[in-house]
Amino acid sequence: DTGVSQDPRHKITKRGQNVTFRCDPISEHNRLYWYRQTLGQGPEFLTYFQNEAQLEKSRLLSDRFSAERPKGSFSTLEIQRTEQGDSAMYLCASSLVGAHGNTIYFGEGSWLTVV
Amino acid sequence: AQKVTQAQTEISVVEKEDVTLDCVYETRDTTYYLFWYKQPPSGELVFLIRRNSFDEQNEISGRYSWNFQKSTSSFNFTITASQVVDSAVYFCALSEVNTGANSKLTFGKGITLSVRP
Repeated sequence: DTGVSQDPRHKITKRGQNVTFRCDPISEHNRLYWYRQTLGQGPEFLTYFQNEAQLEKSRLLSDRFSAERPKGSFSTLEIQRTEQGDSAMYLCASSLVGAHGNTIYFGEGSWLTVV
Repeated sequence: AQKVTQAQTEISVVEKEDVTLDCVYETRDTTYYLFWYKQPPSGELVFLIRRNSFDEQNEISGRYSWNFQKSTSSFNFTITASQVVDSAVYFCALSEVNTGANSKLTFGKGITLSVRP
């Protein structure tokens, strides 16, 4: 039984470079979420997918950010032209939506440092 | 808009002490879910409990217990006989349902719990 896995766990990049994070959800989970967490704060919602459809995007998700879930399984989050303010932990989560609610399970996160 | 307030930022206790982590929430929905997550230094958010708004029964799981009171919009978490392994950041979170927004969680800022030997 594997949980949500994310790759890479840590990434240091120079300002202006592009970075991509990958998330593999718990198998058979139909929803996948991306959150961002900065130091001393709780996670903040970025976007979520139901199967391959991206159903909601937060205003936090600027046009430099793009997320995909091409086959309804794994997802990628790409940040273009990174800025120092993008430094954060990016958390992926998944859930199986059912009649009894929706428990969201998180991965270990991908730490991004923009220098 | 929904909001979760965790007024305590850091708590330090000695092992075997009981500790209560407070959570107060705001929502306009009548149906919602409340959660507690634990975040150890590794970074992963570990799910602890989910409670729906219609179930005010308190819950106990081993050394953990939760007190949900709709009248005060609170969902407090108590650890009995704390252990060093309980040291982590604890987050309370809220998910609304009526608006179809059970897709996302609103988190509090978290409480850093340090348990000293």
